[in-house]
Amino acid sequence: EDQVTQSPEALRLQEGESSSLNCSYTVSGLRGLFWYRQDPGKGPEFLFTLYSAGEEKEKERLKATLTKKESFLHITAPKPEDSATYLCAVQGSNAGNMLTFGGGTRLMVKP
Amino acid sequence: DTGVSQDPRHKITKRGQNVTFRCDPISEHNRLYWYRQTLGQGPEFLTYFQNEAQLEKSRLLSDRFSAERPKGSFSTLEIQRTEQGDSAMYLCASSIYGTGGDRYTFGSGTRLTVV
Repeated sequence: EDQVTQSPEALRLQEGESSSLNCSYTVSGLRGLFWYRQDPGKGPEFLFTLYSAGEEKEKERLKATLTKKESFLHITAPKPEDSATYLCAVQGSNAGNMLTFGGGTRLMVKP
Repeated sequence: DTGVSQDPRHKITKRGQNVTFRCDPISEHNRLYWYRQTLGQGPEFLTYFQNEAQLEKSRLLSDRFSAERPKGSFSTLEIQRTEQGDSAMYLCASSIYGTGGDRYTFGSGTRLTVV
């Protein structure tokens, strides 16, 4: 059974204070690892897909990296509008088309 | 196309009542998914359709839950004899065949409260 664990559960940063979110996973044959952003009362919004160890993707202040056991979402010089819950999910080769999500990291960026 | 639409946005029901939610996916997406999300947790897979065929169901999906996607367009999720433990956000997502999860587009969800 695929499993995803995210840490920390909550993170408070000052504006401009860079940090990283962790996503540890176990999966039978990784088909893809996904990062989503979720604002309160809304559905998750797609950010990145990573397919193999060593891969990196960037978008504005966000950078996602992948190893064989974990993924990191690095946030550089965050702004208050980056405050949201960040979700990590995996799709394994035995899982059909379903995604297995972690519990998320709730990020709060104070001005 | 304005994305994935879900209706209603909020539903309060008494325990034991039946409820039905609707999802309208992006028109060219042939895959449709239902997930459930409780407070502070990540979404949990419920079921998946490709066109009108229901291809996967979670083992966690009890017999009180049923989903349909007639004609491969909109989908409905019905919960019979609701229980307090059914209180959650029900999320619908759609994608295009062949692109997997990286093309999931989620709706804003239906928040169910069972009292």
